[in-house]
Amino acid sequence: QSALTQPPSASGSPGQSVAISCTGTSSDVGGYNYVSWYQQHPGKAPKLMIYEVSKRPSGVPDRFSGSKSGNTASLTVSGLQAEDEADYYCASYAGNNNLGVFGTGTKVTVL
Amino acid sequence: QITLKESGPTLVKPTQTLTLTCTFSGFSLTTSGVGVGWIRQPPGKALEWLALIFWDDDKGYSPFLKSRLTITKDTSKNQVVLTMTNMDPVDTATYYCARIIPWAYGPTFDYWGRGTLVTVSS
Repeated sequence: QSALTQPPSASGSPGQSVAISCTGTSSDVGGYNYVSWYQQHPGKAPKLMIYEVSKRPSGVPDRFSGSKSGNTASLTVSGLQAEDEADYYCASYAGNNNLGVFGTGTKVTVL
Repeated sequence: QITLKESGPTLVKPTQTLTLTCTFSGFSLTTSGVGVGWIRQPPGKALEWLALIFWDDDKGYSPFLKSRLTITKDTSKNQVVLTMTNMDPVDTATYYCARIIPWAYGPTFDYWGRGTLVTVSS
């Protein structure tokens, strides 16, 4: 099973919004509402930002939001801040025979 | 406070077996709904999920690596152990262990270790 497809890069100026797409298939993203998003700064472990498509863990700013339509999930970061510059990965449940698959990753640059 | 820490060799030779230990605190793998997984990340590349183990000893493996992986738990020591056989240079990566949000599906990890870099080279 292939990794989920994300754009390699995205960028925005401080205060603007940036949206990152995550495209899978009906066997993963499209088949379940179990998409999560992770933020990873260089040299650090990933941090969970969104789970079950649109839920935010405690402590994650509400500037981060998630959605899904068909086989594509999206992460939107509103009111971009310098500290949002990082790599972002999506992930999805893919059924009993493949409990999960990650995306290819997107580097977000704050201009 | 929930913490996880990976330990194991930093260098292994091709064809050898890698054994990594995840030692955690702040939660128990005897609690219903709890699970721990392993994820790796080759230098400069994307995350890749490897294996999961749950409180009831249910296990899941990446279908691409299933034949090479074994995950076990020792609840008395609060540890999860991952073994990977027949290591190859392409397995060079930072290996993370992480806790799954209780009762969540798929790769939904809320707490992560700092990771350990494993290099495969002769």
